[in-house]
Amino acid sequence: QKEVEQDPGPLSVPEGAIVSLNCTYSNSAFQYFMWYRQYSRKGPELLMYTYSSGNKEDGRFTAQVDKSSKYISLFIRDSQPSDSATYLCAMKPGNNRKLIWGLGTSLAVNP
Amino acid sequence: DAGVIQSPRHEVTEMGQEVTLRCKPISGHNSLFWYRQTMMRGLELLIYFNNNVPIDDSGMPEDRFSAKMPNASFSTLKIQPSEPRDSAVYFCASSSTGGYNTEAFFGQGTRLTVV
Repeated sequence: QKEVEQDPGPLSVPEGAIVSLNCTYSNSAFQYFMWYRQYSRKGPELLMYTYSSGNKEDGRFTAQVDKSSKYISLFIRDSQPSDSATYLCAMKPGNNRKLIWGLGTSLAVNP
Repeated sequence: DAGVIQSPRHEVTEMGQEVTLRCKPISGHNSLFWYRQTMMRGLELLIYFNNNVPIDDSGMPEDRFSAKMPNASFSTLKIQPSEPRDSAVYFCASSSTGGYNTEAFFGQGTRLTVV
C-alpha cells in the first residue's frame, strides 16, 4: 500500500460545478499537507498549504484535513475551464522532511 | 524573475548514451531539488542540495545517475549510460529556505525519451 493514495480520475465536470478532490494516507505522523496544481507540460505549482487539521480557504479553493480519518480534500467552487489541470496532494511529517506525493487527479472543466 | 529554467525541454536519446539535464534555480534560492515524474510512480525526489551541497541523494535510483551543483546558479543531472526505463519528465525545483521546504518553485521540466 502506498503511503498516499489519490484517485487518478479523470474527473470531468461542467463549468460552475463544485469539485471535490481527495487523498488518503497511512502515516499518522503527517502534519503538513499541500495541494499542487500542474497544467499540461508544466511543473507543479503550490496551491494550498495546511498545517495539522482543519480548513483553509483561499478564494474559490478550500482545503480540509481530517487527521482522524487520514483524509484530505480540496474543494473548488464555481469551477472554471482554467481549473482544468492535474491536482497533486503532498504531505510530510515535519518541516524538515521530504514530501510524499500522490499520483495526481486529472480534472477537466467543460465550458 | 524568469523562474526556474531547465534545458533542454525535450531530449530523445538512444540507449547507452549519456544524457545531461541542466537547471538554473531562481536567484537567491539556496535549496535545489531534482524530481522525476512518471505515470506509474508519480513525483519522486531524486536529490536535494542546500547551499550547493548534496544533502540527501537517497532517491537517486542507481550509480548511473549523478548530480552536481558547482555554484548557486547552476545544477546538472547526468545519466550514463541511459536506459529506456529512464524515460520520464525530470523537474528541477528551488526554494529560498533550508530543509525540505514546502514552497518549492518548479521548472517546466525536461521530457526524456530513451529509445
